[in-house]
Amino acid sequence: EVQLVESGGGLVQPGGSLKLSCATSGFTFSDSTIHWVRQPPGKGLEWVGRIRTKADNDAAIYSASVTDRFIMSRDDSKNTAYLQMNSLKTEDTAVYYCARPHSSGYYDNWGQGTLVTVSS
Amino acid sequence: SYELTQPPSVSVSPGQTARITCSGDTLSNLYVYWYQQKPGQAPVLVIYKDNERPSGIPKRFSGSSSGTTVTLTISGVQAEDEADYYCQSADSSTTYWVFGTGTKLTVL
Repeated sequence: EVQLVESGGGLVQPGGSLKLSCATSGFTFSDSTIHWVRQPPGKGLEWVGRIRTKADNDAAIYSASVTDRFIMSRDDSKNTAYLQMNSLKTEDTAVYYCARPHSSGYYDNWGQGTLVTVSS
Repeated sequence: SYELTQPPSVSVSPGQTARITCSGDTLSNLYVYWYQQKPGQAPVLVIYKDNERPSGIPKRFSGSSSGTTVTLTISGVQAEDEADYYCQSADSSTTYWVFGTGTKLTVL
């Protein structure tokens, strides 16, 4: 069974940093791109970005709203992806999901999400 | 940034047909995928490649496409279909993925 489990969410002050983890099992993690998607409370889904595999040099791209502040990484030995979030703003408050994409362009599997609250 | 536009809300009575649209400049060239999201849960795929239904999704869910607008149709709506629905695709380079603005389906 494919599983993705996010952790690391919590309360952080504006300007602070937080690192989320996405622990996976049930598939060959090293062969899989991982995406991050977020959802502010009561609002819609927002694509955050994705990180590709070692074969593609762990290439990461980010949405305009987080580029230069967020950094994606992965540790294939731990089957885990990470989202380092820096210079956090109140508008970054959201549930953050990691998701595994299907080759056809949709999300095959999602984690349960982890809540990040940016507030003073 | 690229956007996909959906109506904020759609309301139907049980047994009626609900139609939710998704509009975007690239949709005539790219596939669209539809997700259902219930409160406190992760999204669930209900339609892929415009009109294909994943296993386990009821036949009352269907999709169609016309030009730059795609439509999710739920025939014979049931109370359990009340949820938020999101379309998803990509920008013209297919580099950046994008979600629609979301539609809240209310079953009266």
